[in-house]
Amino acid sequence: KAGVTQTPRYLIKTRGQQVTLSCSPISGHRSVSWYQQTPGQGLQFLFEYFSETQRNKGNFPGRFSGRQFSNSRSEMNVSTLELGDSALYLCASSLSGETGAFFGQGTRLTVV
Amino acid sequence: EDQVTQSPEALRLQEGESSSLNCSYTVSGLRGLFWYRQDPGKGPEFLFTLYSAGEEKEKERLKATLTKKESFLHITAPKPEDSATYLCAVPISQGGSEKLVFGKGMKLTVNP
Repeated sequence: KAGVTQTPRYLIKTRGQQVTLSCSPISGHRSVSWYQQTPGQGLQFLFEYFSETQRNKGNFPGRFSGRQFSNSRSEMNVSTLELGDSALYLCASSLSGETGAFFGQGTRLTVV
Repeated sequence: EDQVTQSPEALRLQEGESSSLNCSYTVSGLRGLFWYRQDPGKGPEFLFTLYSAGEEKEKERLKATLTKKESFLHITAPKPEDSATYLCAVPISQGGSEKLVFGKGMKLTVNP
């Protein structure tokens, strides 16, 4: 079956702009988590959605937000982009939030 | 504070030279430990789940083991295609669900 799909794969944005990233989970998976990966901080948890509800949130500013649709697809939005937001954004899906999640290929965001 | 530490940060091996990667954790009530492999520019690929001390899992040249304080990823007779970053992660309960806390990763280079 198809894996986790993230779009777009690459993005270049200017400081102050906003961006929306998309994640389609594995069919049947209802939990979607988002992570930010940078060389200095490694993988850091952003938030988790299950059945259209945010169940868990990491220590990121309110500029980072997300949502989940009834078909379990999820989007994350970053407003007022800063240079430090440049990172690989990863989405992971699982059946119901249990661990051993499966990751997508990520979206590489570059803020200039 | 729940922490996951991986060592060494980077490792260079010759093809066929076996070694071990370490992942230590300070988590109360461990509910599992996960190993992932990540190739440059791609999302982490799920390798193993370990749930209890003494448990071992194997896949090709990789074997993961778990104690009460750490996990080891043993690489036997590695090949150049084993070159990648290896990540370990533990699930932390938060907000009614779980999030994964990752180590910073260990970059393995296997030279032919």
